[in-house]
Amino acid sequence: EVVLTQSPLFLPVTLGQPASISCRSSQSLVHTDGNTYLNWFHQRPGQSPRRLIYKVSNRDSGVPDRISGSGSGTEFTLKISRVEAEDVGVYYCMQGTHWPPLTFGGGTKVEIK
Amino acid sequence: EVQLVESGGGLVKPGGSLTLSCAASGFSLNIYSMNWVRQAPGKGLEWVSSIGSGVTFIHYADSVKGRFTLSRDDAKNSVFLQMNSLRAEDTAIYYCAVQTYDYWGQGTLVTVSS
Repeated sequence: EVVLTQSPLFLPVTLGQPASISCRSSQSLVHTDGNTYLNWFHQRPGQSPRRLIYKVSNRDSGVPDRISGSGSGTEFTLKISRVEAEDVGVYYCMQGTHWPPLTFGGGTKVEIK
Repeated sequence: EVQLVESGGGLVKPGGSLTLSCAASGFSLNIYSMNWVRQAPGKGLEWVSSIGSGVTFIHYADSVKGRFTLSRDDAKNSVFLQMNSLRAEDTAIYYCAVQTYDYWGQGTLVTVSS
């Protein structure tokens, strides 16, 4: 089973400042088809998760360009260039390369200072 | 508009059974695999089960294998999660999600307690 380790667990941020979340995998997430199935999700309190990024760096429709994903192999990063109030919540990485089981990171809670 | 609506959650005693439904609208389910993900109170996301289009595959997390059964009825544009031998640790919000997790339902709460 692939283990995804996110850091930090808790991220207090200042409005307008950048934020970065790391997701490390216990093994390479490069699939035999050449793709890397690493997604990022955002979950606001009381809401369902929303996919932000798929296959490492592809932004979903409606996701602002101040949010970006990068990385390769076993190291991945979600970056918010300028944090806004709507960015609070919990962020999860998820891998779909080696499944079953599909696995999620433990989550990073983002709050405004 | 793509919509997924889960139903069937509730309070059940340990050892009991429930069947969750996920009804899709705004698209035809038949060409997509469908997934269930759960979230225990105050905890993170846990993948539960997935079913391929045309039932080409059905996979389960080890934590539910042998107790949960996932099925689909494309004529009803729905998927169903039959949950038996429920345990306290199955208490969670259960979400259904389309193939690549770009669409999720609002979730249905399952509480297993005596």
